[in-house]
Amino acid sequence: RKEVEQDPGPFNVPEGATVAFNCTYSNSASQSFFWYRQDCRKEPKLLMSVYSSGNEDGRFTAQLNRASQYISLLIRDSKLSDSATYLCVRYGGSQGNLIFGKGTKLSVKP
Amino acid sequence: NAGVMQNPRHLVRRRGQEARLRCSPMKGHSHVYWYRQLPEEGLKFMVYLQKENIIDESGMPKERFSAEFPKEGPSILRIQQVVRGDSAAYFCASSPRQNTEAFFGQGTRLTVV
Repeated sequence: RKEVEQDPGPFNVPEGATVAFNCTYSNSASQSFFWYRQDCRKEPKLLMSVYSSGNEDGRFTAQLNRASQYISLLIRDSKLSDSATYLCVRYGGSQGNLIFGKGTKLSVKP
Repeated sequence: NAGVMQNPRHLVRRRGQEARLRCSPMKGHSHVYWYRQLPEEGLKFMVYLQKENIIDESGMPKERFSAEFPKEGPSILRIQQVVRGDSAAYFCASSPRQNTEAFFGQGTRLTVV
């Protein structure tokens, strides 16, 4: 099982739609999780941290399910500007490095 | 508070030359991570450093690649005798401590001709 696994997509949705991404991880010792977004040929930018049972920031909601070892990202009322690749990230065990999934591509159409 | 600074933004090297990529972390950040990204692919972890120490270099090739983060100055990723396959975007991120948010620089795009 890969350390961090994501559906690569692409997810093609109309403006205003609600879209959800899931991410599974293999290391149950992981303590911290994050979602980043990456635009084409740009650096990843932090979108949300996901601690304990999850959190919400405006149109974005992140959930963590430790028992099933997955996290999710929900985007409500999609905007054209939400089009990007969304990266699921966990902090590794003893080494403490950041492990990235390969990303899920989202395309929001007018 | 300036963000993570990487330079150069673009670097062209001929096969066999050396490439030096620099990363200045955000102020107050002592943890640095280096990643490589090929076009249309994900971020591949290379090395994780704290000031003067390499914590995890499991993602870095044993030959030709080295990294350092001295007490003073930026972190350096060094690639000796570059080959065409080294062409990629190299991103650096920094954080103030473990298990907390990390922030990325704009990356260095290395092209080997």
